Amino acid sequence: GENVEQHPSTLSVQEGDSAVIKCTYSDSASNYFPWYKQELGKGPQLIIDIRSNVGEKKDQRIAVTLNKTAKHFSLHITETQPEDSAVYFCAAIRRYSTLTFGKGTMLLVSP
Amino acid sequence: ETGVTQSPTHLIKTRGQQVTLRCSSQSGHNTVSWYQQALGQGPQFIFQYYREEENGRGNFPPRFSGLQFPNYSSELNVNALELDDSALYLCASRGGTTTLDEQFFGPGTRLTVL
Repeated sequence: GENVEQHPSTLSVQEGDSAVIKCTYSDSASNYFPWYKQELGKGPQLIIDIRSNVGEKKDQRIAVTLNKTAKHFSLHITETQPEDSAVYFCAAIRRYSTLTFGKGTMLLVSP
Repeated sequence: ETGVTQSPTHLIKTRGQQVTLRCSSQSGHNTVSWYQQALGQGPQFIFQYYREEENGRGNFPPRFSGLQFPNYSSELNVNALELDDSALYLCASRGGTTTLDEQFFGPGTRLTVL
C-alpha cells in the first residue's frame, strides 16, 4: 500500500518568514495530493490540493509543488502569520483507493 | 451549505463497552469515510460507505462496524472497547464519483476509553 513520509515534524518560524513542508510517497500510481490544516480541537481543513497532471498550484500565500519523478510534493506558505500556527498534514491517493496521510507537521509562527 | 457534523463531541467509556458515533455528511455528498486519529498521528482510514454499502476498509478488526442511511448520514460502532481505541474519530464526506474528489472533514468525536 501507499506510504507517505512528512518532514519536518515541527517547524518554528518568525512572523513574515516562509515555511516549507515536504512529503514523499511510495505509490507511483497516486495522482491526487491534498493538504490539510488542523487546529487544536478541530477536524482537518482542506487548504489546497494538486493533481498529478499539474506541477504547481498557488492560492494567495499558499502554494504546492509536485515532482512525480521523484515522488515528492511540498507545501509553501509565504508571509506567515500567527494564525497559520497549526498541524499540517499531507496525503496521497490513487484512483479506487483511500487517502493515506503523513504524520503531520506542527507549525509555530511567533509574532 | 451545511458542513460535516459529528456527535457527540466527547465520550468517555470503559473497557469492554460498546459505542456509537454519528456523522451527517455535507449537503449533496453521498460518500462517507471514517478515520481514527491517535494523539500526534495522522488520520488512519477505517472504512468508507457509498450509497449505504461499505466499499472500502482499512486495517481495523471486525469489532469496528458501520452503517450509512438513505440520507447519507452514517454511524460508526465499536464493540468490546480497548484502551487503544482512545482517539479522535473523524468523519469525512465527498460528493464526487471518484476517490480523487475533495474530502471534507467534520470536527471529530474524542473517545476516551478507561
